[in-house]
Amino acid sequence: AQSVTQPDIHITVSEGASLELRCNYSYGATPYLFWYVQSPGQGLQLLLKYFSGDTLVQGIKGFEAEFKRSQSSFNLRKPSVHWSDAAEYFCAVAHSWGKFQFGAGTQVVVTP
Amino acid sequence: NAGVTQTPKFQVLKTGQSMTLQCAQDMNHNSMYWYRQDPGMGLRLIYYSASEGTTDKGEVPNGYNVSRLNKREFSLRLESAAPSQTSVYFCASSDPGGASSPLHFGNGTRLTVT
Repeated sequence: AQSVTQPDIHITVSEGASLELRCNYSYGATPYLFWYVQSPGQGLQLLLKYFSGDTLVQGIKGFEAEFKRSQSSFNLRKPSVHWSDAAEYFCAVAHSWGKFQFGAGTQVVVTP
Repeated sequence: NAGVTQTPKFQVLKTGQSMTLQCAQDMNHNSMYWYRQDPGMGLRLIYYSASEGTTDKGEVPNGYNVSRLNKREFSLRLESAAPSQTSVYFCASSDPGGASSPLHFGNGTRLTVT
């Protein structure tokens, strides 16, 4: 069965420090991979997506993610976080029509 | 540019009451979805509609019904609300639909069933 795992429920990071959020998936073929961000009281906003090609993809708000087939991972990174990056982040896999599988989410807290 | 609009934003129901959550999108998208979000569980698909006139069950359809009223609107109905349906509900749309099309989300409806 397909699955998406975000091992970290909660991460605290200092403003200006780097951030890496982990995502592992289980799927028979190369899936379509997404990262979304959810600010409090808001819906989910697409940060970036990977379908094929270059395994390092750039997204909005200075985020990037790297697809590693050998590790079944799609980790999200940002070199220097801002207080406005405090939010919940969701990794998602789409493996067939209409079937998006979301991870449980990682809550990011940014400290001064 | 409104995108995906959900109403109401908040709702409190008593067990057994019914209600309809409304969703409309102005992006001319073919596909629309209803998800529920519960702590520690991410988002789970309730129902989706690939195109106007079609609907299909998702992962957690029990206790819900949907109507794709037209291309813009996709409503979710709870006929007899239960405390287990306390959740945040998100409507989403995509175009042309399918695995490669990102979802566009509304801001959610927070539902409490007492």
